[in-house]
Amino acid sequence: EAQVTQNPRYLITVTGKKLTVTCSQNMNHEYMSWYRQDPGLGLRQIYYSMNVEVTDKGDVPEGYKVSRKEKRNFPLILESPSPNQTSLYFCASSDLSGSPDTQYFGPGTRLTVL
Amino acid sequence: GENVEQHPSTLSVQEGDSAVIKCTYSDSASNYFPWYKQELGKRPQLIIDIRSNVGEKKDQRIAVTLNKTAKHFSLHITETQPEDSAVYFCAAKGYNFNKFYFGSGTKLNVKP
Repeated sequence: EAQVTQNPRYLITVTGKKLTVTCSQNMNHEYMSWYRQDPGLGLRQIYYSMNVEVTDKGDVPEGYKVSRKEKRNFPLILESPSPNQTSLYFCASSDLSGSPDTQYFGPGTRLTVL
Repeated sequence: GENVEQHPSTLSVQEGDSAVIKCTYSDSASNYFPWYKQELGKRPQLIIDIRSNVGEKKDQRIAVTLNKTAKHFSLHITETQPEDSAVYFCAAKGYNFNKFYFGSGTKLNVKP
């Protein structure tokens, strides 16, 4: 089954404790992206990647890091989480050669930073 | 960068009525405009999209219109059903860049 997966789905942590949210897709998509969703603000893009080893900042990259060492994986790293990073996070992927702008979203990760 | 504004933030309609959600964008270079539906507790899912070389696109009860001159695009849902109740997001993406910009969302409530 074609899908985007994220882990963990729920995470409660404390300020300053490094964490990683994983994202994996099995559709051989080149494009992958991370978003955060906050009430009244819609989805805001954090980082995106056009392919392996190619990443770029989205609209709200501060406080986040990403890496793309393999095509299927695009982890989101919070090196020193703060309470303002409490949010719902979505990973998405798309096939640049097929329908290049059609994004498929993962199930979401709800992060709470105390 | 791009700025996408979406209105209204909430919309309540009677089953069978039509619903219209409007978005404006600021960057004339944007050329791809998707609409996503997000049910409570679920992930956003693409329901329809339009590119800047097209003025209107339909898919059964859903249609999207684009006015490039005025830089706005709209989602039209006809014969609404209770299962259309969800939050709808518009978005914009440019040809020369690979970032997506989303509107703030519209919560649609279809009353039976």
